[in-house]
Amino acid sequence: EAQVTQNPRYLITVTGKKLTVTCSQNMNHEYMSWYRQDPGLGLRQIYYSMNVEVTDKGDVPEGYKVSRKEKRNFPLILESPSPNQTSLYFCASSLLGERSYEQYFGPGTRLTVT
Amino acid sequence: AQSVTQPDIHITVSEGASLELRCNYSYGATPYLFWYVQSPGQGLQLLLKYFSGDTLVQGIKGFEAEFKRSQSSFNLRKPSVHWSDAAEYFCAVGPYSSASKIIFGSGTRLSIRP
Repeated sequence: EAQVTQNPRYLITVTGKKLTVTCSQNMNHEYMSWYRQDPGLGLRQIYYSMNVEVTDKGDVPEGYKVSRKEKRNFPLILESPSPNQTSLYFCASSLLGERSYEQYFGPGTRLTVT
Repeated sequence: AQSVTQPDIHITVSEGASLELRCNYSYGATPYLFWYVQSPGQGLQLLLKYFSGDTLVQGIKGFEAEFKRSQSSFNLRKPSVHWSDAAEYFCAVGPYSSASKIIFGSGTRLSIRP
């Protein structure tokens, strides 16, 4: 089954404790992206990757890191989480080019930073 | 500035009634427009997209949208809603072939009255 998986689905952590949210896709997609969803703000892009070892900042990259060492995986790293990073996070993947908007989204990770 | 506005935060319609969700955009170049749906507890799914050609586009699940350049609008419609249509709907805009620059609206939550 074609899918994007994220782990964990729910996470409660404390300020400053490094964490990683994993994202994996099994569709051989070149493009992967991370979004955060906040009430009233819709989805905002954090980082994206066009292929292995190619990443770039989205609209709200501060406080986040990503890596793309393998095509299927695109982890999101919060080196020192803060309460303003409490949010619902989505990973997405797609082919490149015209079909890049046909993104497959993961189920989301709800993060709470206290 | 580039933006997407969904003026209705929450809409409730009766099952079987018609639906129209509004979307207005501000975009400097020729826009690539689309609608995504987010069912409760799930990631987003692409409903339909428009780039050029016929201004009335058909999507999945019986949805359609009409592009009106003069009004900078891309409203989503469905003739008869089903209880399973209860979800959050996001309008989005971006340049052709580059989901890395996508801009999402803040979303409209749709509730269905039995």
